[in-house]
Amino acid sequence: DTAVSQTPKYLVTQMGNDKSIKCEQNLGHDTMYWYKQDSKKFLKIMFSYNNKELIINETVPNRFSPKSPDKAHLNLHINSLELGDSAVYFCASRSNGQGVKVGYNEQFFGPGTRLTVL
Amino acid sequence: SQQGEEDPQALSIQEGENATMNCSYKTSINNLQWYRQNSGRGLVHLILIRSNEREKHSGRLRVTLDTSKKSSSLLITASRAADTASYFCATDPYGGATNKLIFGTGTLLAVQP
Repeated sequence: DTAVSQTPKYLVTQMGNDKSIKCEQNLGHDTMYWYKQDSKKFLKIMFSYNNKELIINETVPNRFSPKSPDKAHLNLHINSLELGDSAVYFCASRSNGQGVKVGYNEQFFGPGTRLTVL
Repeated sequence: SQQGEEDPQALSIQEGENATMNCSYKTSINNLQWYRQNSGRGLVHLILIRSNEREKHSGRLRVTLDTSKKSSSLLITASRAADTASYFCATDPYGGATNKLIFGTGTLLAVQP
């Protein structure tokens, strides 16, 4: 079973459109993240949710809006897409460590969504 | 920028050789982690070393940490073609936002068969 899954895997769209990326984890983790990896492979955190509550919000344009309907899901909606939004977006999750003896600091990543804005 | 630096940016070796990658970071940390990313895939956690540890081993991986120099190294011994990937260090800043990791710039390792 896939631990962290994302849909879609590829997304090609025109400038100005609105699009969403979905993420689901079946690990029972409490914390989920969105990262952006640019063409130079720099990986930067965008948002983090803990039990559906936003806890990290980096300097990200407000065109990006995360939503967590429950702790197993974290979606990312992007309005008015721009050329510079083209990147690979990764979802990740992490346990809070309660009841977990080892490995709770590590993050588990999804396969990524490659967004291309034309 | 808080982003860490890794060197070399790219490394090409023959199968069976050892590969060493270095990571430097800027802030005090709780722990430092290494991740691997195969082409077109997500990152996979390899190993974690806490700020009070100096060396850690896991299989063919050896990680060192020097907090006085704010640096870490990852050694892969007896490399295999399947080790070809990008390797990233990530720091968990001390006193920072809970669960936030800051990733380095990555080293692209190519192991020639």
